[in-house]
Amino acid sequence: GEDVEQSLFLSVREGDSSVINCTYTDSSSTYLYWYKQEPGAGLQLLTYIFSNMDMKQDQRLTVLLNKKDKHLSLRIADTQTGDSAIYFCAEIPRKLTGGGNKLTFGTGTQLKVEL
Amino acid sequence: GAGVSQSPSNKVTEKGKDVELRCDPISGHTALYWYRQSLGQGLEFLIYFQGNSAPDKSGLPSDRFSAERTGGSVSTLTIQRTQQEDSAVYLCASSLTGASYNEQFFGPGTRLTVL
Repeated sequence: GEDVEQSLFLSVREGDSSVINCTYTDSSSTYLYWYKQEPGAGLQLLTYIFSNMDMKQDQRLTVLLNKKDKHLSLRIADTQTGDSAIYFCAEIPRKLTGGGNKLTFGTGTQLKVEL
Repeated sequence: GAGVSQSPSNKVTEKGKDVELRCDPISGHTALYWYRQSLGQGLEFLIYFQGNSAPDKSGLPSDRFSAERTGGSVSTLTIQRTQQEDSAVYLCASSLTGASYNEQFFGPGTRLTVL
C-alpha cells in the first residue's frame, strides 16, 4: 500500500505489555522510527531501528522488524499510565524525490492504559 | 534555547486572511522541516531546508503556502488567503544535518484555526 498503516486504538491494563503494530511502504527505508505524542505536546522520538536489524531492545521498549512483510512493531513492557499517548511509526522512503529526510508517518495508535 | 520553539502556540484567523508561523530551530542545526498534523490527513511533510541549498517544497499542498529560512536559522511558514481546510497543527523540526541518522527534534507546534 501507499500509506503507513497502524491500528487506531489500543487499550491495556497497567502492568501488561502493549504491542503496537505498523505496516510501512518502502522496503528500502534505511531507518524506521517510533514517535510518542502526549496531549498538547510535540513529537518525541522514542526509538528507531536500522533496516539491517531484526530487533532492538531499549529498557522497556522492544522493536521488531520484519522486512519481508514490511512490518514493524513496538512492544512496551510493564505498561504504565504515563505511557498513555499516541504512538506514530515513521519511515524515510527512498522512493520520494527531492532528497532530504522527510518522515512519512503512520496514522498513529492511541494507547490508553487503564488501572 | 534548549529545544525547537514555535510561535504563536495558537492562531485563530478568518478565512481569506494571511498568516505567518515562526520556527526557531536548535542552534547549530542545519536541517529544518515543516510538517502539518490534521484530522483528515494525519501527519504530513510540507517543506525541508538544508543549509544554503534550495528548499524541498514537494510537500506544500498549494501555491498559497510558502516558507523561508533567513540566515540559516529562523524559519517562517506563510499561508496566504487561508481556507478552512488549512486548520491544523503545524510542526517544525530541526536536525543537526539532513542525514537520516540525525534525530529530528520537534517543536510544540502552532495550532491554526481558520474560521
